[in-house]
Amino acid sequence: EMQLVESGGGLVQPGGSLKLSCAASDFSVSNNYMNWARQAPGKGLEWVSLIYSGGSTYYADSVKGRFTISRDNSKNTLYLQMDNLRPGDTAVYYCARGIPFYGMDVWGQGTTVTVSS
Amino acid sequence: DIEMTQSPSSLSASVGDRVTITCRASQTINSHLNWYRQKAGEAPDLLIYAASSLQNGVPSRFSGSGSGTDFTLTISGLQVEDFATYYCQQSSSVPFSFGQGTQVEIK
Repeated sequence: EMQLVESGGGLVQPGGSLKLSCAASDFSVSNNYMNWARQAPGKGLEWVSLIYSGGSTYYADSVKGRFTISRDNSKNTLYLQMDNLRPGDTAVYYCARGIPFYGMDVWGQGTTVTVSS
Repeated sequence: DIEMTQSPSSLSASVGDRVTITCRASQTINSHLNWYRQKAGEAPDLLIYAASSLQNGVPSRFSGSGSGTDFTLTISGLQVEDFATYYCQQSSSVPFSFGQGTQVEIK
């Protein structure tokens, strides 16, 4: 069964850094386009970033220059390095597999990031 | 960037009702429109992709239609597990924006 498991969330002070991981099972992260999305408390879904199979990366304007998406093919794991975190980055972060033009069909359970002093 | 607008923001319905949610894109996205259901405390689930294609394993009471800028999700015969929040999302161009969500509540 295809599965994604996120980890790495936690409490961090404003200006701090955190690196999220997303381990995939039964499919290869390198052969798919992989996304990060987030959901602030009580709010809707927000797309954050993606990495295509060819390695191209894209970011929402709200995180551009602060977040970096990457993957380790040998570990079949997706990452999101988050630097210079702000209180507005507080959210549940989800990783999801994307099918070109066809949406995100496999989602992780989410990991919670709280940015607060 | 493409902005997605859903309506209504919330609705109340009863088990067995037919429910329709609409989604409008700020510019044409052809048929690159997807629908998700998110139950409370859970990750989203893909219901419909490419505007009208039913994702594997999703019950046939869910259907989607539309193209260009205007899209519809219909639930024919609401079940208890369908009381949730629904999101549309465009996959035509980055950033892959979501609508603000439609909460379906029990009447």
